[in-house]
Amino acid sequence: DIQMTQSPPSLSSSIGDSVTITCRASQSITTFLNWYQQKLGNAPKLLIFGASTLQSGVPSRFSGSGSGTDFTLTISNLQPEDFATYYCQQSYSSPLTFGGGTKVEIK
Amino acid sequence: QVQLQESGPGLVKPSETLSLTCTVSGDSIQTYYWTWIRQSAGKGLEWIGRIHRSGHTQYNPSLGSRVSMSIDTSKNQFSLRLTSVTAADTAVYYCARDRIPDGYYFDFWGQGTLVTVSS
Repeated sequence: DIQMTQSPPSLSSSIGDSVTITCRASQSITTFLNWYQQKLGNAPKLLIFGASTLQSGVPSRFSGSGSGTDFTLTISNLQPEDFATYYCQQSYSSPLTFGGGTKVEIK
Repeated sequence: QVQLQESGPGLVKPSETLSLTCTVSGDSIQTYYWTWIRQSAGKGLEWIGRIHRSGHTQYNPSLGSRVSMSIDTSKNQFSLRLTSVTAADTAVYYCARDRIPDGYYFDFWGQGTLVTVSS
């Protein structure tokens, strides 16, 4: 199985800040990497697919980059509604696997 | 707008079988693949498997032979069956659309249903 490791597990930031979350795969997954946002009590919501393509309706302050084994999700100009947990997920090979999540909290 | 809704018992006894159904609206189940994912406090998000209208399935090997899925195109539903459950199977279970072949991501999710395994 491909292991997905996210860092940090949690972070605290202020409104207007820029934050970066890292996801590392245990082997190359080219760009088969997706990012999801999950708010308490809700299902995950797709933000970015193919490492860098923004899902329709997602604000442009979200961006993704990377290929191979190292990926990043950046949130610019953090807004109150962005405080949530973020997960990466590889779709390169079965079984599909998720990272452990990064909780973004208000400082 | 595509919507998915999970349904099934919220409580299952140990060693018994967990059965859930996902009803899809706003899209034909004959497109794409359809997947089950679960989330527990101990193991985070875990992909269970996926099914296509052709009957093709892929399962997470971690669940062994305990897992099976089926699809009913006439009802626009797909189902999950997990046998011999233990407390470790307690989780929120989600169904989702799996955007194969034009993408490889889960773009629509159900709200999730909590299944507790307990006597």
